[in-house]
Amino acid sequence: AQTVTQSQPEMSVQEAETVTLSCTYDTSESDYYLFWYKQPPSRQMILVIRQEAYKQQNATENRFSVNFQKAAKSFSLKISDSQLGDAAMYFCAYRSAEYGNKLVFGAGTILRVKS
Amino acid sequence: DSGVTQTPKHLITATGQRVTLRCSPRSGDLSVYWYQQSLDQGLQFLIQYYNGEERAKGNILERFSAQQFPDLHSELNLSSLELGDSALYFCASSPGLALPGGPTDTQYFGPGTRLTVL
Repeated sequence: AQTVTQSQPEMSVQEAETVTLSCTYDTSESDYYLFWYKQPPSRQMILVIRQEAYKQQNATENRFSVNFQKAAKSFSLKISDSQLGDAAMYFCAYRSAEYGNKLVFGAGTILRVKS
Repeated sequence: DSGVTQTPKHLITATGQRVTLRCSPRSGDLSVYWYQQSLDQGLQFLIQYYNGEERAKGNILERFSAQQFPDLHSELNLSSLELGDSALYFCASSPGLALPGGPTDTQYFGPGTRLTVL
């Protein structure tokens, strides 16, 4: 079974600075998808960014980018120019390309943004 | 706003009772997923329906059941409730099925239903 590990329970960043959230996963599959979801205090789950394992190029969405290292099974999220609205719980998630569509989530990282 | 709606937003009930959570997927989405978020178990997949048929099952208790109706809305039924069932229940939807080698079938989440069992 696939597992997702987020080793940082909590992170802090100064407004306008850059922060990186870590995620590692364990799988024997070669084709899969990875996601970062954001959960603000409203508890809504919001998709931040996604990455297809077969793509070598790292995904970017405005201030959010990932560092996908397939061999190391690492998928970190970089947030540039951090804003107060970025404060939330961030979840890394894995989905198999072949065996079902469920998302497997990590435990989450709380990101605090200081003004 | 993801386009996925869930009702009710909050539900408070007693142990032993039965409740129904409702989910309407985004327009055009055929797949519906249910997830449970609790403090001790984190976010866990419960069950998936695709176009009215059960597609995948996760760690769903036998006391829990779900269905997807012809209009594609879905209901999650929780019975013989226990204190440990208190959690945030999310519904998510996606356009279809993620096929091997195919494009990502991204799941979009509803706002959740907060269930409190007293």
